This record gives sequence, C-alpha cells and structure tokens, in this order.
Amino acid sequence: EPEVTQTPSHQVTQMGQEVILRCVPISNHLYFYWYRQILGQKVEFLVSFYNNEISEKSEIFDDQFSVERPDGSNFTLKIRSTKLEDSAMYFCASSEGAGQGEQYFGPGTRLTVT
Amino acid sequence: AQRVTQPEKLLSVFKGAPVELKCNYSYSGSPELFWYVQYSRQRLQLLLRHISRESIKGFTADLNKGETSFHLKKPFAQEEDSAMYYCALRRETSGSRLTFGEGTQLTVNP
Repeated sequence: EPEVTQTPSHQVTQMGQEVILRCVPISNHLYFYWYRQILGQKVEFLVSFYNNEISEKSEIFDDQFSVERPDGSNFTLKIRSTKLEDSAMYFCASSEGAGQGEQYFGPGTRLTVT
Repeated sequence: AQRVTQPEKLLSVFKGAPVELKCNYSYSGSPELFWYVQYSRQRLQLLLRHISRESIKGFTADLNKGETSFHLKKPFAQEEDSAMYYCALRRETSGSRLTFGEGTQLTVNP
C-alpha cells in the first residue's frame, strides 16, 4: 500500500539555522499538507498546497515558513531561521481530493532546535 | 473559529470492558468529524469518519449535533486498542484543514 514518506526522521539544528523538511506524498495525490505537534500539545495545521500554490495557511505559518514542490515527487517545508519554539514533530499529509478526501499522514520528522 | 475538545488525556480500562472516548466540538456550520488513531511508533491513521457511518475494528462514533459531540465507543476493548486517539474536525466550506483535539491515550490492561 502506498505511503507518505518523510525525511529525515530526526533533525537537530541550532537556533537561527535554516532547515528543510522533506516529504514524498502518495503519487496520485493532488493536495498536500503540513501539520506540527509540539511535545505535549495538539496537532496543529500549518499549510495546505494545491496546484503549485498555497491554498490555506494558519496563523502559525508566518514569513519564516515556506513550502515548495520542487519536482514531481517531493514536497518541502522550509523554516528560514529556526527558533527554540519551532521544536516539534512535523507531519506531512496528502489527499486525492480537497474537501472530501482522506488525508494520509507521514511518520513525521522530529525537529529539535538547540 | 472551530475547536475540538477531548476532556480525557488518559483513559485506562480492562480488556473486555466497554470504552468511550469523548469528543466535543464547537463550530457554527456543518462540520465533518473524524477519529484518527496513532499506535505506538506508527503514523496517524484514519479510524473512522462520521459520514461513512461504519464500524472499524469494533469502534463506532455518532455525530450528535445537539450536544456537539462525536464520542468514540467500543463495547469490548482489546489490548491491541491501546493507542493515542485524536478527534478531528473539518469545515464544510474550506474543506481541507483538519482541526485536532488534544488526544486521549487509551490503555487497555489485560
């Protein structure tokens, strides 16, 4: 069964550094998402992406964040200058359709900012 | 704004006992409600959604619009049900963003 994959599984970075989290969505899916979960807190929506542009973003997704689909398979989340409070588990998800399709989640990337 | 509340962070039951995981939501429109499950060291996966009205792994959930609830129930819990359960809401208009509750860690003891 096809799955969403994410790399790396764990990323440690210093405050102020740029990080890129990578995701490979399921191949025939058209909608892509990033969520994050700070330790002990709920899973929060960051951004959704369709047809090479952002379709929705949350108030968390400020100018420090960007997303890109650089080729036909990868979907990336970039954090330009990481802060301590960016430490979290970042989940990528994809779905066939927007409103009604099930969102399939990746295993997550644990980002630790020191 | 929409909100999902799961009042119990931890829930512990014995094998064979009934289990109910509570979920309440606030949203002025007609939401779509989901339950996601995360087994130890595995990814989030969809357990069930209210529009399909089916039972998955013995679990059911009914959307109660009057009480704005979507509680997850199983009459006889099994040890393999031990996992983290998240209730989530999706608005009918924007259609894409999931809003999650805080999650309930269910432990089924032998």
